[in-house]
Amino acid sequence: DTGVSQNPRHKITKRGQNVTFRCDPISEHNRLYWYRQTLGQGPEFLTYFQNEAQLEKSRLLSDRFSAERPKGSFSTLEIQRTEQGDSAMYLCASSLDRTAVLNEQYFGPGTRLTVT
Amino acid sequence: AQKVTQAQTEISVVEKEDVTLDCVYETRDTTYYLFWYKQPPSGELVFLIRRNSFDEQNEISGRYSWNFQKSTSSFNFTITASQVVDSAVYFCALSRGSGGYQKVTFGTGTKLQVIP
Repeated sequence: DTGVSQNPRHKITKRGQNVTFRCDPISEHNRLYWYRQTLGQGPEFLTYFQNEAQLEKSRLLSDRFSAERPKGSFSTLEIQRTEQGDSAMYLCASSLDRTAVLNEQYFGPGTRLTVT
Repeated sequence: AQKVTQAQTEISVVEKEDVTLDCVYETRDTTYYLFWYKQPPSGELVFLIRRNSFDEQNEISGRYSWNFQKSTSSFNFTITASQVVDSAVYFCALSRGSGGYQKVTFGTGTKLQVIP
């Protein structure tokens, strides 16, 4: 078990550019979550997937954000026309949940985005 | 709505001292989960504990202990004989215990600095 991995670890981009992040969850974990963490704050929920289905999106996720999990394994988070306010750490987490049992989420190391 | 309050933003202790990190939560759910995560300077959130709302038994794991009191909606975390490696930001978090998935609400974190 190699844990949750995220790539890239750091991304610096100019305002207006598009960026894409990747998350590889722990294998066989059926749920995958994206969070955003700004300096001095706790992570804030953005969206989550059960297998390949995106089941909830936070109001924090504007139309410029899109997330996919095409085969129920890895996930991508794309931000179009980046703004300076998008600068944050983007965290991915995964969990293995059954119908009556909800388990803890394991987090990846995050992708730190800086928009200049 | 769910809310987690960590009133202590930063704590400094000298190595070997005991330290308690406070966490107060708000929820209308009767079934919920409480968590503590550690975020060292490397940035990766490390799961420490999950507690079901029906289980008010206190837990001890090595130098770590947790005191869950439903009457005061608190879930405090104590580190005994602190070590420099304990220096990190600690997050208390809350999620629903039913409804199919865990949208975790995090507090703002308590930064613990253990001075050698």
